Amino acid sequence: DSGVTQTPKHLITATGQRVTLRCSPRSGDLSVYWYQQSLDQGLQFLIQYYNGEERAKGNILERFSAQQFPDLHSELNLSSLELGDSALYFCASSVDIYTGELFFGEGSRLTVL
Amino acid sequence: AQTVTQSQPEMSVQEAETVTLSCTYDTSESDYYLFWYKQPPSRQMILVIRQEAYKQQNATENRFSVNFQKAAKSFSLKISDSQLGDAAMYFCAYRSADDMRFGAGTRLTVKP
Repeated sequence: DSGVTQTPKHLITATGQRVTLRCSPRSGDLSVYWYQQSLDQGLQFLIQYYNGEERAKGNILERFSAQQFPDLHSELNLSSLELGDSALYFCASSVDIYTGELFFGEGSRLTVL
Repeated sequence: AQTVTQSQPEMSVQEAETVTLSCTYDTSESDYYLFWYKQPPSRQMILVIRQEAYKQQNATENRFSVNFQKAAKSFSLKISDSQLGDAAMYFCAYRSADDMRFGAGTRLTVKP
């Protein structure tokens, strides 16, 4: 158990819909990362937050948005969903923005039909 | 932007043998971290080993060791005495203050 909690674990929805994925980082970790992994693909960096502030942005679509709340949990909002958005979405946390490894949640598997 | 390259999409090894997975990266930073993560069929991301760039000594974790060549920007993973449970996708990763990036992965098959 990495200490990072992601909900929901599985989600099936239709094209055009909107979903929210939630992540609770490890206790004490201030930095949260979101990654997208399509089937048999690598990890695509979406966005990073540190202590409530956006720190870095990767290949995140305009239809996607995220935030980190004062209690440090984070949410990734995906809207106007398309078939190609079906993927495993990982949240990871670390104690700060620079040192050490990322601890990953088990991921949220999104299926868009 | 920093890039991480894993030139071997797939590798296979005989059980109990040794295999080396390659990774190169591009960076202008002097301080950074490098990692190898394992992703088994469960798709959980598991840290295998980490290396701080300022350390010259290569990291070792039981059967896993790295060959870190800072000047060449190379970071290979050696798995000794391979076991069936080592079969997984292996991702090389680079971290600096800006972000953390992963290579495309190497799928390792272990043959009994």
